[in-house]
Amino acid sequence: DSGVTQTPKHLITATGQRVTLRCSPRSGDLSVYWYQQSLDQGLQFLIQYYNGEERAKGNILERFSAQQFPDLHSELNLSSLELGDSALYFCASSLYPSTDTQYFGPGTRLTVL
Amino acid sequence: AQKVTQAQTEISVVEKEDVTLDCVYETRDTTYYLFWYKQPPSGELVFLIRRNSFDEQNEISGRYSWNFQKSTSSFNFTITASQVVDSAVYFCALSEAKGSGAGSYQLTFGKGTKLSVIP
Repeated sequence: DSGVTQTPKHLITATGQRVTLRCSPRSGDLSVYWYQQSLDQGLQFLIQYYNGEERAKGNILERFSAQQFPDLHSELNLSSLELGDSALYFCASSLYPSTDTQYFGPGTRLTVL
Repeated sequence: AQKVTQAQTEISVVEKEDVTLDCVYETRDTTYYLFWYKQPPSGELVFLIRRNSFDEQNEISGRYSWNFQKSTSSFNFTITASQVVDSAVYFCALSEAKGSGAGSYQLTFGKGTKLSVIP
């Protein structure tokens, strides 16, 4: 158990809908990262937050947004969902936004029908 | 752009055999970090090892060992005396400084190598 928690574990929804994925980092970690794992694209970095501030953006679609709250938990919002958004979404955390090891949560499996 | 290549898509070994997973990376950074993660069938990503670019000393940790060679940009991972529980997808990853602000980092992952250990 990495200490990173993600909810829900599974999510099934329809095209055009909006969902929110939640992540709680390990106790004491200040930086949160979101990754998407799909069959065709593999593991891709989406976005990083540190102590509430956005620090880096990767291949994140405009339909997706995220934020980190004062209690350091983070939410990833996915809107206008398409079939291609079906994937495993991971949250990771590290103490600082540096090359500290990132510890991953169990992931949220999103299925868009 | 940084890149990680895992040429082996799938590997099958018989239990107790040793197996080496290959990883080749590309980066322009002089300081970087390399990682191996394991993804068992249950789906979570488990951190295994981490290496700094300025430390090429190879180490052994239990049944795991790694061979880091900057000259060939390789970071290979070996499991000794494999067990069925080692069956998983193994990912090599490279840390990358990204964005204009300090402390902006992401991991660039390879496509993964699926290891099947047959009893």
